[in-house]
Amino acid sequence: EAGVTQFPSHSVIEKGQTVTLRCDPISGHDNLYWYRRVMGKEIKFLLHFVKESKQDESGMPNNRFLAERTGGTYSTLKVQPAELEDSGVYFCASSSLYEQFFGPGTRLTVL
Amino acid sequence: AQTVTQSQPEMSVQEAETVTLSCTYDTSENNYYLFWYKQPPSRQMILVIRQEAYKQQNATENRFSVNFQKAAKSFSLKISDSQLGDTAMYFCAFFIGGTSYGKLTFGQGTILTVHP
Repeated sequence: EAGVTQFPSHSVIEKGQTVTLRCDPISGHDNLYWYRRVMGKEIKFLLHFVKESKQDESGMPNNRFLAERTGGTYSTLKVQPAELEDSGVYFCASSSLYEQFFGPGTRLTVL
Repeated sequence: AQTVTQSQPEMSVQEAETVTLSCTYDTSENNYYLFWYKQPPSRQMILVIRQEAYKQQNATENRFSVNFQKAAKSFSLKISDSQLGDTAMYFCAFFIGGTSYGKLTFGQGTILTVHP
């Protein structure tokens, strides 16, 4: 069974540009989560999808971040326009029950 | 609000020895789960062990065991017979149970290095 995959693994962009991160969850997992770890700090929750619906988006930092989950399958997280403080590692996780399975993360660097 | 605190930024241990990583948490909820996740260098984060708060018995998974002290809100991880492959960042995490499988709240992480 394939695990959670994320694309790209690394992204380096200029301040003001747009970046879109993609997450493919484990097949059959209704729950999909986005988390972010800024350098040296703890992993912080961004949002939670149940199928295609946003269950909890309380962790989204501001309206420059837009998450979607098309048809309850893969999800994208768009940052537009990117700021320096958006740099960090973005993790996606999926679950059917309480155990969350994590992807390898996307390392985003905003210059 | 729930918080998780890992007070040891870094730990080291000799191969074959035992090490304990500390974690404390704060919540007013009664139904919750606690987890230890491991992230080896340049690899994905994986679940090491979980503990349901309603269970009094401490969870064990092979060389990994926890000391769950509910009243003290403490959840430490003991690694016995440490192996080089145990070198990783370890995260303690917390999850409120219920009908909606919601977010994990993480601690700051502990970098564990196992020396040969």
